Amino acid sequence: EIVMTQSPATLSVSPGERATLSCRASQSVSSYLAWYQQKPGQAPRLLIYGASTRATGIPARFSGSGSGTEFTLTISSLQSEDFAVYYCQQYNNWPPLTFGGGTKVEIK
Amino acid sequence: QVQLVESGGGVVQPGGSLRLSCAASGFTFSSFGMHWVRQAPGKGLEWVAFIRYDGSNKYYADSVKGRFTISRDNSKNTLYLQMDSLRVEDTAVYYCAKDYCSGGRCYLGSLDYWGQGTLGTVSS
Repeated sequence: EIVMTQSPATLSVSPGERATLSCRASQSVSSYLAWYQQKPGQAPRLLIYGASTRATGIPARFSGSGSGTEFTLTISSLQSEDFAVYYCQQYNNWPPLTFGGGTKVEIK
Repeated sequence: QVQLVESGGGVVQPGGSLRLSCAASGFTFSSFGMHWVRQAPGKGLEWVAFIRYDGSNKYYADSVKGRFTISRDNSKNTLYLQMDSLRVEDTAVYYCAKDYCSGGRCYLGSLDYWGQGTLGTVSS
């Protein structure tokens, strides 16, 4: 099973600032990496697939990068609606699909 | 628009059973692989099970293998999760989700639409 590790667990950022979230895989997942956003009481929402491709309707301020075992999600200028928990997930070698533990982006 | 609506959650004693349903609309259900993902209270996401678009392949997390059964009825646009021998640690919100496909290509395991979830609580 591929273990996904996200850091930091919590990120405190001011509105308008850049946020950089990290995700590491225990073995290579190539570019089969997705990012999701989850707000309280809501289902997760797909942001990025293929490590760097934005899903339909996702604003350009969200960008993904990386391949192999190291990945980054960058939010270029945080808006109020972006404060949420973000999960990375690999789909290269499954079952099982595996998710990271999440990074909570909170208002500084 | 795509809609996934789960139902069937509730409170059950350890060792009991629940059957979850996920009603799909707004897309060609019979063309997409479907998943169940769960989230224990205050915890992260855990993948539970997958079924291929035609029901020919099914995969399970080790934590539920032999106790949970995923199935689908393409004539009713509905996905199911039969949960037997339930344990306290199975308590979670259960989401159904579909595989993401775009431009004629499917990215199996990336999940683009999720339902709102249904809470299953296992408690004595």
